[in-house]
Amino acid sequence: KAGVTQTPRYLIKTRGQQVTLSCSPISGHRSVSWYQQTPGQGLQFLFEYFSETQRNKGNFPGRFSGRQFSNSRSEMNVSTLELGDSALYLCASSPGRPSTDTQYFGPGTRLTVL
Amino acid sequence: DAKTTQPNSMESNEEEPVHLPCNHSTISGTDYIHWYRQLPSQGPEYVIHGLTSNVNNRMASLAIAEDRKSSTLILHRATLRDAAVYYCILRNQAGTALIFGKGTTLSVSS
Repeated sequence: KAGVTQTPRYLIKTRGQQVTLSCSPISGHRSVSWYQQTPGQGLQFLFEYFSETQRNKGNFPGRFSGRQFSNSRSEMNVSTLELGDSALYLCASSPGRPSTDTQYFGPGTRLTVL
Repeated sequence: DAKTTQPNSMESNEEEPVHLPCNHSTISGTDYIHWYRQLPSQGPEYVIHGLTSNVNNRMASLAIAEDRKSSTLILHRATLRDAAVYYCILRNQAGTALIFGKGTTLSVSS
């Protein structure tokens, strides 16, 4: 099976712009979670989607949003980019709700905000 | 959320066993203990998980204290490829997300 894929792998934006990141889960997986990783804060949970519904949300401002499509693919959007949004954004998929299911991570999208 | 405490860093030599400790004194009865690791320039990957009994898989072993307030991830023979940040995470069946701490950075020397 193909693993979790994320596009694009690298992205450079300027402050004030918006960005959309894409995640394709492993075939058959219904849950997608998003994480932000920065050197200062480490890995932080953004949100979780299961069957097109947001089930869980981390402590991030409303500029961060996401959605999941009927084929389980997911996108996350960050509006009005700030310098502090520069980070590695990781997507993880799991077969069901990720309460105890193993999560499989993609390679991430490296976002740089100038 | 129940928290975990891990040493910031550990060092090992190739071919030697490595014991990575994790303290979780506030663990609840329904919390599973999960371990993930993150190799350089990659997303985290699952290593092992357990509830009460010790667990073994092809990657590692997980030893859980009888009172469940601590656990140890055991890599039986470290290789250079095992150099990574190892995260000990508690998860319950309520559907919580993975809450990552700082983890332990493992260095392996040849």
